[in-house]
Amino acid sequence: LAKTTQPISMDSYEGQEVNITCSHNNIATNDYITWYQQFPSQGPRFIIQGYKTKVTNEVASLFIPADRKSSTLSLPRVSLSDTAVYYCLVGDKAAGNKLTFGGGTRVLVKP
Amino acid sequence: NAGVTQTPKFRILKIGQSMTLQCTQDMNHNYMYWYRQDPGMGLKLIYYSVGAGITDKGEVPNGYNVSRSTTEDFPLRLELAAPSQTSVYFCASTTGGPGDTQYFGPGTRLTVL
Repeated sequence: LAKTTQPISMDSYEGQEVNITCSHNNIATNDYITWYQQFPSQGPRFIIQGYKTKVTNEVASLFIPADRKSSTLSLPRVSLSDTAVYYCLVGDKAAGNKLTFGGGTRVLVKP
Repeated sequence: NAGVTQTPKFRILKIGQSMTLQCTQDMNHNYMYWYRQDPGMGLKLIYYSVGAGITDKGEVPNGYNVSRSTTEDFPLRLELAAPSQTSVYFCASTTGGPGDTQYFGPGTRLTVL
């Protein structure tokens, strides 16, 4: 299973852009990169997923360089409600689509 | 669709007791998973299933058992509960296709005293 490394925590202020970078040096050819968000006392919630280059949806953008050894989740103009833990995961189809959750990045948005 | 539902929401067990955590999904997903999450930590995979009648161990299976008799249900059984099993348990499901995403239930908070 591809291992991921991401910062333990990040602070930001309302209205700013938050960028969280995840390293996954041993990503496999068929692996996708998926980001989840988790609020306290809730299950993780899917944010965005990508394979290469750039993906954008209504809540975030995901930037993946050509070598795919890292990825960056970008949250534009964060609000207090974006305070949560963000997990970067790399899918392993060979392992039955099992996903390995690391410790995640705890993002605190301040007023 | 209700998505993934889990019962109970909370439970306190005494050491040595047994219980079953229930998980049901109504999305006709083939793959289902059980995770545990200790305070301040990420999720660890306990068991998973790729379809009815098929289960496999994850990262931390000791002390747990699962069964998958139907597509919808994936119960997690704790035998001889221990304080180390105090955690929040999440069930998840997915279709299992390439790059598919997992849908999580609300969790069961279990305390073993």
